Amino acid sequence: DAGVTQSPTHLIKTRGQQVTLRCSPKSGHDTVSWYQQALGQGPQFIFQYYEEEERQRGNFPDRFSGHQFPNYSSELNVNALLLGDSALYLCASREIGSSNEQFFGPGTRLTVL
Amino acid sequence: SQQGEEDPQALSIQEGENATMNCSYKTSINNLQWYRQNSGRGLVHLILIRSNEREKHSGRLRVTLDTSKKSSSLLITASRAADTASYFCATDGTGFQKLVFGTGTRLLVSP
Repeated sequence: DAGVTQSPTHLIKTRGQQVTLRCSPKSGHDTVSWYQQALGQGPQFIFQYYEEEERQRGNFPDRFSGHQFPNYSSELNVNALLLGDSALYLCASREIGSSNEQFFGPGTRLTVL
Repeated sequence: SQQGEEDPQALSIQEGENATMNCSYKTSINNLQWYRQNSGRGLVHLILIRSNEREKHSGRLRVTLDTSKKSSSLLITASRAADTASYFCATDGTGFQKLVFGTGTRLLVSP
C-alpha cells in the first residue's frame, strides 16, 4: 500500500515563474491538505481539498491555488514566484470522518532564485 | 503564524537517556498530535491525544496533555541514535481539520 507520494522531489525556478506540484494521497484517503515549511520553521497550512473543492484556506495569497481530481490526487500551483516562496511543500492526506491523523508525503523542495 | 512554541528548541542527549519536549498552544483544541521529521523531509505521525485525554502511551512514547495550561509534553524513553530528528506538535481546533504546528524541537541522540 503506497503512502502519500509527491512530485517532483526538487525544483528550481526563477522569480516570476509559475510552478505546479503534485500529490497522490494514501489509498482510501479522500482529503488532501497542503503545507509550506520554511527552513527552521514548522509547517504552515495553505489549503485543504475535499470532493474537488477547496474547503479551508490558510493565510496565503491568491497566487497559491490548487485543484483536486476525481481520483483524489491534487495539485498546488504557485504563480509569480517570489524568493520567499522557497520552502518545502508538504502534502498530507486523511480519510474524511476519521480521526485527524494526517499522513504526509516526503515533500517537494522548491528553490526560487 | 505558528500556534505556539516548543521547548526546548534543541536538545542533545546520550543514547539510553530520556528526552522530554514541551509544547504550548494558544487556542482551544480538538486533538493534539506529535510528528517526527528527519532531515527536512516528510513528517511521520507519532501519536494523537484527544482534548478529553490526559495521558497516552505508544511504545517508548508517553504524551501528556493539560488543557487548562494549554500545554503538552512528549517523553521518549531509552532514546536511540535513530530518534535523532525534529519533533513537532500540531493542534486542530473544534470543527476544523487543518493542523497548526509549533516551531519544533531538534533532538540529537549521540551513541
